[in-house]
Order: sequence, then C-alpha cells, then structure tokens
Amino acid sequence: GAVVSQHPSRVICKSGTSVKIECRSLDFQATTMFWYRQFPKQSLMLMATSNEGSKATYEQGVEKDKFLINHASLTLSTLTVTSAHPEDSSFYICSASSEGARFYGYTFGSGTRLTVV
Amino acid sequence: LAKTTQPISMDSYEGQEVNITCSHNNIATNDYITWYQQFPSQGPRFIIQGYKTKVTNEVASLFIPADRKSSTLSLPRVSLSDTAVYYCLVGEGFSGGYNKLIFGAGTRLAVHP
Repeated sequence: GAVVSQHPSRVICKSGTSVKIECRSLDFQATTMFWYRQFPKQSLMLMATSNEGSKATYEQGVEKDKFLINHASLTLSTLTVTSAHPEDSSFYICSASSEGARFYGYTFGSGTRLTVV
Repeated sequence: LAKTTQPISMDSYEGQEVNITCSHNNIATNDYITWYQQFPSQGPRFIIQGYKTKVTNEVASLFIPADRKSSTLSLPRVSLSDTAVYYCLVGEGFSGGYNKLIFGAGTRLAVHP
C-alpha cells in the first residue's frame, strides 16, 4: 500500500511555456502533499506544502506565481511551472502523507525530470 | 526542526556491513528519526524509523542511544544495488500528519565489487 504516482516522468518544454506535473495517491487519501526540487548531486529542497482544499504554503524564496500548486482532491495535487526557463530545469518530486495513515513515513513519487530548452 | 549531520560519502564492498551515523544534537522529545534511500532519478524510499533503542526490519537496523543525539543506520551485507544516497531526517511523528520533511545533504554510499 501507500503508492504515490507522479506523471510525467520526463518532460521537455520550450522556454516560455508552462508545464503541469501531477501527483496522485493511489491507495490512500493524502491530506497533505509536498513538492520538492532537486538539482544534480544535491539534496531535495522543499518548495511548498499543499493541503487539500486550501492554498499552498511556499517555502522562502519560492515564487508562488511561478510554481502554481493545486490540491483539489484528497488524491491529486498538481504543480504547474509557468513561463518555464532553462534555470527551472530540475528533478521535481512530490510526497504525500495522510493523517492517521497506517504506514510509517511519507511516500514519495518517482519524480519528474523537467528540461527547459 | 532538528538539523542533522551525516558523512558526505562512504565506500564499502559487497558483503560488508555498513553503518552510517547521523548526528542530531537538538532532537526534541517528540521527534522520530527516519531514514530514506534515494537512487538516481527516483524519489526517496522509506527505509526505517525509530524513536529510541533499536529497530530492525527486513532491510536495515537503526540504533539510537539513550540520549538520542545520534543514530546509526546499519545495512547488513550490502550489495551493489545498495549504492545510493541515504538521508537521515528528524521530526515529529512521521507516521502521518502534516509535518514537512527537510532533507539534509545525505550520505552517498558507493558499494564496490
């Protein structure tokens, strides 16, 4: 149990366009989802926390107008990178947790490799 | 959130036991210690979680001394497939809830033939 599906796994887009990344909890209801960004050889950096039905909370330094997060249901959160630029190229990872979950720890998606050309 | 300190990298050979130590001097009373494993281009995977003393599961053991200011992840008889980055995280009640996970630098383990 406790599976988080992230889609797409890899995307290439042109500079100036927007890209949407989906994160789904397949077998549990995710009260909270987290979005991370990871550059090569570096650790995961938390971008924002999203709670179902409410606005996301962004970490300091993360542009909320550029990285739009929607958590419209208990099984789906989306991250939209708007007007993407080459410096937004990175590995984006989502994570989900559920209040009262019967598993230990948080479950992570498999990540999305975004390349902006 | 308690800060953690781990070795940046470690090297081992197949069949050996690997112990990765994490320091968390400012751990709070309600904090648990959790370890994750990450392979390249994949999301982190939960390995083990503990609060005190020793926890063992099918893949690892976690040793936590009485003062809880450090912890040691023990991987028995590693194989090449254990080459990965290992993260130690400390926070309140990771069994669910809303607490965000802040990752440190992690330990890059390389297992050699």
